Amino acid sequence: NAGVTQTPKFQVLKTGQSMTLQCAQDMNHNSMYWYRQDPGMGLRLIYYSASEGTTDKGEVPNGYNVSRLNKREFSLRLESAAPSQTSVYFCASSAISGETQYFGPGTRLLVL
Amino acid sequence: AQSVTQLDSHVSVSEGTPVLLRCNYSSSYSPSLFWYVQHPNKGLQLLLKYTSAATLVKGINGFEAEFKKSETSFHLTKPSAHMSDAAEYFCVVSAKSWGKLQFGAGTQVVVTP
Repeated sequence: NAGVTQTPKFQVLKTGQSMTLQCAQDMNHNSMYWYRQDPGMGLRLIYYSASEGTTDKGEVPNGYNVSRLNKREFSLRLESAAPSQTSVYFCASSAISGETQYFGPGTRLLVL
Repeated sequence: AQSVTQLDSHVSVSEGTPVLLRCNYSSSYSPSLFWYVQHPNKGLQLLLKYTSAATLVKGINGFEAEFKKSETSFHLTKPSAHMSDAAEYFCVVSAKSWGKLQFGAGTQVVVTP
C-alpha cells in the first residue's frame, strides 16, 4: 500500500518548456488535489477533482491544466513553464471532499 | 469565507520543554481543523484532526490541540519536545460544504539540545 505517489521527484525546465506531473493513489479515494508550496505561503490549491470525471479551479490555477485520467490518477500539466512556477508541488487525495487529505512526497520543480 | 492565521512563523524550544504553536481561524461554516507536520524535504503528515466531537484532540507523537470556539483558536501543544519534533507545522481549516483545505503559512519549530 503505497498511498499517494508522485513522479518525477525533481525536474529542471527551461522557460517555455512543457511537462506533466503525475500523481496516483491506491486508497480508492474519490477526491484528488494539486497544491504548490512556496516559502512563507503554506500550500495553495491549484486544481482539485472532487470525483472521477470532474475538475475545478483552486486558488492559483493560471498556467496549469489538469486531467483526472481515472479514479487513481490525477495529472498536472504546465504548457509553457515560467520561472514563477518554480515551486514544490504536492498531490493529495481524500475519501471525499472535506475529509482528511493524504499527501504525496512532492515534486521539486525549477524553471530557469 | 475561510482563513487561518498561524501567529508565529518560528518557534525555538529546548529539548524536554513544552511546545505551543498558535493558530486562529475564521470560517462561515462549522469547520474541520487539522494540524499537519512536514519534516525537511518530506511530504505532509497528519498530526490530528478536529471534527466537532471532543474539543481536546489527541494526535500522534504526543501532540494535542484544543478547539476553542469562543476564541476561534486551535492551538497545538506538546508537554516535552524531542529533537525529532524539529519540522514545519501547518494549521489547516476546511468545511465540508466547501470541501477544500485552507492552509496557514506554517510555523517552523527548532529544537535545541
